[in-house]
Amino acid sequence: DIQLTQSPSFLSASVGDSVTITCRASQGISSYLLWYQQKPGKAPKLLIYAASSLQSGVPSRFSGSGSGTEFTLTISRLQPEDFATYYCQHVNNFPYSFGPGTKVDIK
Amino acid sequence: QVQLVESGGGVVQPGRSLRLSCAASGFIFRNNGMHWVRQAPGKGLEWLAVVWYDGSKKYYADSVKGRFSISRDDFKNTLYLQMNDLRVEDTAVYFCARLEGGDGYKGGALDYWGQGTLVTVSS
Repeated sequence: DIQLTQSPSFLSASVGDSVTITCRASQGISSYLLWYQQKPGKAPKLLIYAASSLQSGVPSRFSGSGSGTEFTLTISRLQPEDFATYYCQHVNNFPYSFGPGTKVDIK
Repeated sequence: QVQLVESGGGVVQPGRSLRLSCAASGFIFRNNGMHWVRQAPGKGLEWLAVVWYDGSKKYYADSVKGRFSISRDDFKNTLYLQMNDLRVEDTAVYFCARLEGGDGYKGGALDYWGQGTLVTVSS
């Protein structure tokens, strides 16, 4: 089974900052990687699919990159509504798995 | 607009069974594969199961294989998760999600999610 790790697990930032979250896969998954945002008590929201494609309706300050085993999610110019937990998920083969999450908090 | 609404959660004793439902609307349900994902209190997301758009294939996480069964009723536009032999560690919020794109095995994305239903397994 493919394992995903995320770093950092916790990130403290200010409004207007740019932040980058890394997701690493235990084996190559081409570009079969998704990124989600989750706020407390809510369902995850799809941000990025196919590693770098922006889901419809998601602000352009979110961007994804990478392929193979290393991927990044970058949030440019953090907004107050961006403080949340972010998860990566691979869709390369079953079982699909999620990274452990990165919590982005207000400094 | 696409809507997914889970129901059927509650408190159940270890070893008992529960069936969750996910009512879909706003899209042609029979065209999409559907997934279940859960989240234990204060923990991360765990992928559980998938059923193909036509019901022909199903896959499960090892943690629930042999105990949980995913199914769908395209006449009722409803996805199900039958959970048997429940354990304390199955306590979680259970989400259903729609798969859009890909070939079923790889690719695509879980683009719409329900709000979740809480299952608590406790004696």
